[in-house]
Amino acid sequence: DAKTTQPTSMDCAEGRAANLPCNHSTISGNEYVYWYRQIHSQGPQYIIHGLKNNETNEMASLIITEDRKSSTLILPHATLRDTAVYYCIVRVNQAGTALIFGKGTTLSVSS
Amino acid sequence: AAGVIQSPRHLIKEKRETATLKCYPISRHDTVYWYQQGPGQDPQFLISFYEKMQSDKGSIPDRFSAQQFSDYHSELNMSSLELGDSALYFCASSRPTSGGLNTGELFFGEGSRLTVL
Repeated sequence: DAKTTQPTSMDCAEGRAANLPCNHSTISGNEYVYWYRQIHSQGPQYIIHGLKNNETNEMASLIITEDRKSSTLILPHATLRDTAVYYCIVRVNQAGTALIFGKGTTLSVSS
Repeated sequence: AAGVIQSPRHLIKEKRETATLKCYPISRHDTVYWYQQGPGQDPQFLISFYEKMQSDKGSIPDRFSAQQFSDYHSELNMSSLELGDSALYFCASSRPTSGGLNTGELFFGEGSRLTVL
């Protein structure tokens, strides 16, 4: 799978938007961009994924650049409960294919 | 709806002993993934099964083996345990879509914490 690069840590004020960037310059045409997060010692939680179009769900929005070499996860109104490690992962959409976690971004939301 | 069930939640073993972790996927999910997460580490992929066949293999030690049974539950068997095997072990499942694809949305269990003394 293509490698991703994320900042090690970010801070965000409660109620503000959190914008988490991810670089995936070697992404292949059939690879999707996935975002997961892990709150301390809990199982990772799926957030959102996309191929090339921007996506939005009840948790977040995903903005993928036109060349697909980078993306941004947006949490529109961060809360204290959004404090977690956020992982950006690229993966082909095939059953059983591993989801490989790299070094994510530790997002700290403070009041 | 019930999520992914892992058992036991906590396990303490001595070095060189064996341990078995069990994972019960969400109903109708056909794919199971195993991950190991050491203290302060990111989750490391071990192995996955799709329709009871091994699908992908990661950094699973030769001392470990796993399988998926006819009811889709999975077991991770670990032998000759070492201190470094102390970790959280997560199981995840995903549901099928057509043509061997899936959404990539993995549902993770709460993990089994293994401590090797």
